[in-house]
Amino acid sequence: EAGVTQFPSHSVIEKGQTVTLRCDPISGHDNLYWYRRVMGKEIKFLLHFVKESKQDESGMPNNRFLAERTGGTYSTLKVQPAELEDSGVYFCASSQVPDRVEQYFGPGTRLTVT
Amino acid sequence: AQKVTQAQTEISVVEKEDVTLDCVYETRDTTYYLFWYKQPPSGELVFLIRRNSFDEQNEISGRYSWNFQKSTSSFNFTITASQVVDSAVYFCALTPLLTGANSKLTFGKGITLSVRP
Repeated sequence: EAGVTQFPSHSVIEKGQTVTLRCDPISGHDNLYWYRRVMGKEIKFLLHFVKESKQDESGMPNNRFLAERTGGTYSTLKVQPAELEDSGVYFCASSQVPDRVEQYFGPGTRLTVT
Repeated sequence: AQKVTQAQTEISVVEKEDVTLDCVYETRDTTYYLFWYKQPPSGELVFLIRRNSFDEQNEISGRYSWNFQKSTSSFNFTITASQVVDSAVYFCALTPLLTGANSKLTFGKGITLSVRP
């Protein structure tokens, strides 16, 4: 069974540009989460999808971040326009329902905004 | 509000030493899950263990063991006879155990473990 995959693995963009991160969850997992780790800090929750619906987006930093999960399969996280403080590693995780507690993480996308 | 504290930031040991990674948590929930994840140099977070709050039995899996003490709100992780392959960042995490609730994880800052040959 394939694990959670994320694309790209690394992205370097200039301040003001747009970047779109993609996450493909484990097949059959209805729950999809986005997290972010800024260097040296905790991994912080951004948002949670159940199928295509946003269950909780309380961790999204501001309206420059837009997450979508059309069709309830893969998800994208767009940052527009990117700022320096958006740099970090963006993790995606997925879990099944009803056993949705155990989350399986992807390798992350390292975003650097210069 | 929930909080996970991993006071140790970096630990360096020589191979075959035992090492304990500390995790202290705060939560107002009466039932919850605790986790440990390992992040090797390749970057992905690898699930190691999940414990629920009403099961305080300690667990051993090979060289790994976990000590859960509700009285001190701690969930410590011990690696016995450490190996170079254990070098990684280790994260402790917490989530409420409530049906229908958002199961988002609250993480600590992580502990970087270096095992020298």
